[in-house]
Amino acid sequence: DTEVTQTPKHLVMGMTNKKSLKCEQHMGHRAMYWYKQKAKKPPELMFVYSYEKLSINESVPSRFSPECPNSSLLNLHLHALQPEDSALYLCASSLAGGRFTDTQYFGPGTRLTVL
Amino acid sequence: GESVGLHLPTLSVQEGDNSIINCAYSNSASDYFIWYKQESGKGPQFIIDIRSNMDKRQGQRVTVLLNKTVKHLSLQIAATQPGDSAVYFCAENRGGATNKLIFGTGTLLAVQP
Repeated sequence: DTEVTQTPKHLVMGMTNKKSLKCEQHMGHRAMYWYKQKAKKPPELMFVYSYEKLSINESVPSRFSPECPNSSLLNLHLHALQPEDSALYLCASSLAGGRFTDTQYFGPGTRLTVL
Repeated sequence: GESVGLHLPTLSVQEGDNSIINCAYSNSASDYFIWYKQESGKGPQFIIDIRSNMDKRQGQRVTVLLNKTVKHLSLQIAATQPGDSAVYFCAENRGGATNKLIFGTGTLLAVQP
């Protein structure tokens, strides 16, 4: 089973709202990732967690706040977003926790619209 | 700057024909490459991967070729079907202490019945 699940599937929020995206995997993977994908563009890496510790932050604005409560869960907390933050937010996971290169498996994404 | 790019943004093929999607990369230190398929409204789906110590790898109806001399990667799909219509991304892993993927710009494969 190579399934990564994400909730919600769609989210509409105002610029003053606080919301959270959730990602879950039960494959025993030790690395989890957040990507942002704009229409007709490739995914862009935002954050990497390795063994539940933040290992990469790709200079993402502080209005995006990641959290990894345990090795199966990854959250992305959103606050005071801008309309240009509207995008598909993808979660991915991989087995080895970043110590060597291995396959990343993606979830279906959350389609976020900021009004 | 360094990048992973694709030669064709759109590829249109007839059902039953073979498809070839190309990708160029510029970092000779990259040691792992992945092809993903992304259908409309869905996340990228792993298709096939190849490490730099190989030059060819086959899956079910798909073959990936790696030419390190010219830094070129290709995905071949045999007997293309309507269900193969999607955007295909190559991704390059540059190794090191992280598992960071660099994606190419993507190719839209349109299968004509």
